[in-house]
Amino acid sequence: DTGVSQDPRHKITKRGQNVTFRCDPISEHNRLYWYRQTLGQGPEFLTYFQNEAQLEKSRLLSDRFSAERPKGSFSTLEIQRTEQGDSAMYLCASSLGQGRPRFGPGTRLTVT
Amino acid sequence: DQQVKQNSPSLSVQEGRISILNCDYTNSMFDYFLWYKKYPAEGPTFLISISSIKDKNEDGRFTVFLNKSAKHLSLHIVPSQPGDSAVYFCAASGGNYQLIWGAGTKLIIKP
Repeated sequence: DTGVSQDPRHKITKRGQNVTFRCDPISEHNRLYWYRQTLGQGPEFLTYFQNEAQLEKSRLLSDRFSAERPKGSFSTLEIQRTEQGDSAMYLCASSLGQGRPRFGPGTRLTVT
Repeated sequence: DQQVKQNSPSLSVQEGRISILNCDYTNSMFDYFLWYKKYPAEGPTFLISISSIKDKNEDGRFTVFLNKSAKHLSLHIVPSQPGDSAVYFCAASGGNYQLIWGAGTKLIIKP
């Protein structure tokens, strides 16, 4: 398989702007996860899809964040009205059922 | 409150010697534990896991030990190689989809 891919790898934006990230999971994987990692910390769970259904959202995911997975394939994570505290690495992972998640390379967001 | 703790931010080990990375957890509902390795500018990659019904799992140079009574697990790498230099994360699961992660330990293998 080609692994999990994420685009873009890096994003610099000004405070208040909207950004959208894309994740392409491993094709046969039905589960998709978004995590956020800040410097010196481990990844923190944001949200989870099984096929196209978003089944869980962390309370870390404020109303400014929205994630979609149309047709159960790729997923997008949008952040509206970005704040400096949103600066982090956004990691996408996918798994087949309850198998071990495989992670993409991440999108590093810098909000200036 | 951190449910998974890796108390050593960094560890330096001579090449060829044993590396021991430690992880403590507080939630007794965790029943599956994983170690991931992360290089700079890459996502975490799975290394080894252990179920709570076991106390040891081995895969080549990597062995994970689980002490349920102490709520402690450790990853042993022997012999350590330069390519093992990375950040190692301990993660735990309570049987659902969500992984709870420690803050990571940066392992440096000295030649």
